[in-house]
Amino acid sequence: NFMLTQPHSVSESPGKTVTISCTRSSGSIASTYVQWYQQRPGSSPRTVIYKDNQLPSGVPDRFSGSIDTSSNSASLTISGLKTEDEADYYCQSYDSGNHWVFGGGTKLTVL
Amino acid sequence: EVHLVESGGGVVRPGESLRLSCVASGFTFDGYGMNWVRQAPGKGLEWVSNINWNGGTADYADSVKGRFTISRDNAKNSLYLQMESLRADDTAVYFCGRSLTVPALDYWGQGTLVTVSS
Repeated sequence: NFMLTQPHSVSESPGKTVTISCTRSSGSIASTYVQWYQQRPGSSPRTVIYKDNQLPSGVPDRFSGSIDTSSNSASLTISGLKTEDEADYYCQSYDSGNHWVFGGGTKLTVL
Repeated sequence: EVHLVESGGGVVRPGESLRLSCVASGFTFDGYGMNWVRQAPGKGLEWVSNINWNGGTADYADSVKGRFTISRDNAKNSLYLQMESLRADDTAVYFCGRSLTVPALDYWGQGTLVTVSS
């Protein structure tokens, strides 16, 4: 099976743009879709990106997702950062056997 | 509006059993696959199990295979997780979630805490 590696933490100022990476250890990042989940402190996760770059209803378009086959990674970009964006973010994909893989999570601090 | 409400968590001793439930509302329950995902205290997310719309197909993470059983009752809009031979490393908040058309979730419940301790 493969692993998804995320930076442990990132920080940025309000109003700025931040990008969180998610690197796949083996197999192509493009072979299966990548999702991103936001988990604010004390809350359950919320889906913010699905199928690499699709935005669920109710999620602001400040959130966007992409994949880069050259680095075999996916990215979550949040523009116009707000303090409410401070949370843990997890990427997730799956293998051909329907086994899911989560990244270890990235703590976003908006300061 | 989609709502998923888990229940059944609690404190149990190693080797004991527990059954979790998740009641769904706000959507046509039998039109979707469903999942359980857990999160150990202070740790990341771990997928546990999923089941297709009619209960005909289920899959499990290696860490729970043979000990946990997922099921559903579409007449009651309910999802279940029967957990046997519980171990300390099963201690976690268990979330139920609705499947997308790919192996992923679009809606999550608020979670129920399972603590396995002697």
